[in-house]
Amino acid sequence: DADVTQTPRNRITKTGKRIMLECSQTKGHDRMYWYRQDPGLGLRLIYYSFDVKDINKGEISDGYSVSRQAQAKFSLSLESAIPNQTALYFCATRTQGDEQFFGPGTRLTVL
Amino acid sequence: EDKVVQSPLSLVVHEGDTVTLNCSYEVTNFRSLLWYKQEKKAPTFLFMLTSSGIEKKSGRLSSILDKKELSSILNITATQTGDSAIYLCAVCKDSWGKLQFGAGTQVVVTP
Repeated sequence: DADVTQTPRNRITKTGKRIMLECSQTKGHDRMYWYRQDPGLGLRLIYYSFDVKDINKGEISDGYSVSRQAQAKFSLSLESAIPNQTALYFCATRTQGDEQFFGPGTRLTVL
Repeated sequence: EDKVVQSPLSLVVHEGDTVTLNCSYEVTNFRSLLWYKQEKKAPTFLFMLTSSGIEKKSGRLSSILDKKELSSILNITATQTGDSAIYLCAVCKDSWGKLQFGAGTQVVVTP
């Protein structure tokens, strides 16, 4: 399985602040994804990337941006956080198959 | 609009019972269906089902894909308290690996 790490694990911030969530993986997977999870809604795709030069919007990209600094690193930014971005955020990686391997998640609270 | 619907939303069973979870989908493109188990934080991969592999089994867990009915079931036999979790169903829609998740089924196994 991919070794996927996320930092921070928990974050509380205020409305209007800029926040960056970081994801790293050590298995050399090209494909990386960011999801958010809200109670009752399952996981929804924010952005995905196949390599450093390839960034794609998912179904809920508004209010978010990403950066693929290297094959192993994929960061998610909230330029100006708002309360309805309070959620659990997951990074995932994928090999050639369809199964994705998830990081431990970041619990973000926007006050 | 693509959607993945899981039922029931939650259930409580006694140790030793058998559980059947349902997942139905309506998507424009179907590539595969995946089941994940989510205990504390990160979803962990259970099974992937495709047109060429419509039944999978691992220990007490098994899953079947019915492409005609656009649905899948996940069975857990002889349940244990360690099976308590949220079970997520996701459909992979394309070669980009975009996953559409259902809201999940929360399973509680009581001693």
